[in-house]
Amino acid sequence: GAVVSQHPSWVICKSGTSVKIECRSLDFQATTMFWYRQFPKQSLMLMATSNEGSKATYEQGVEKDKFLINHASLTLSTLTVTSAHPEDSSFYICSARVQGASDGYTFGSGTRLTVV
Amino acid sequence: QKEVEQNSGPLSVPEGAIASLNCTYSDRGSQSFFWYRQYSGKSPELIMSIYSNGDKEDGRFTAQLNKASQYVSLLIRDSQPSDSATYLCAVNRGGSYIPTFGRGTSLIVHP
Repeated sequence: GAVVSQHPSWVICKSGTSVKIECRSLDFQATTMFWYRQFPKQSLMLMATSNEGSKATYEQGVEKDKFLINHASLTLSTLTVTSAHPEDSSFYICSARVQGASDGYTFGSGTRLTVV
Repeated sequence: QKEVEQNSGPLSVPEGAIASLNCTYSDRGSQSFFWYRQYSGKSPELIMSIYSNGDKEDGRFTAQLNKASQYVSLLIRDSQPSDSATYLCAVNRGGSYIPTFGRGTSLIVHP
């Protein structure tokens, strides 16, 4: 089946630094990638939808200058958390819909970000 | 704000029992409905999808959809301790492929 590889699986960074998270579709072309954030015992909150070759669409309340999304190819989308703060600590997950498939979405394995 | 609502639980059932998980949604235009299982610290994995009113069975899992009542449920028969996880209901926004997730129901299956 379709696989999305996400890394790193966890990262600890200092306040004020930037962190990049990558998601790669391994055996299919992901024209659309979704980026989610999940706090403990909370739902997945959609942050943005990225489309290959165009600007990402951010959900209301998500700072586009803080969470930079790049989807430069059909197999790679990146999320960069800039000037990270402790409140950005969360579980970040990417997801892609396999074109032509109607059955749900394929998720990356997630990245646990801790900002100290 | 379109919403998907689930009881956060925990729902505790004995091994071998039927676990019933429920979800309601507010967007009447929604056409696609999904159930995901998420173990602690892991990303969600798809269990079932359902698009038409009625029941859809897959092994021990049965999804039920009632669009008139804006209600979707998941039944797990012969529950096993390994089924202990959080179950997320997801509903596609009407006319799009963008899913909205409920906060999930924690299921505990005790031996």
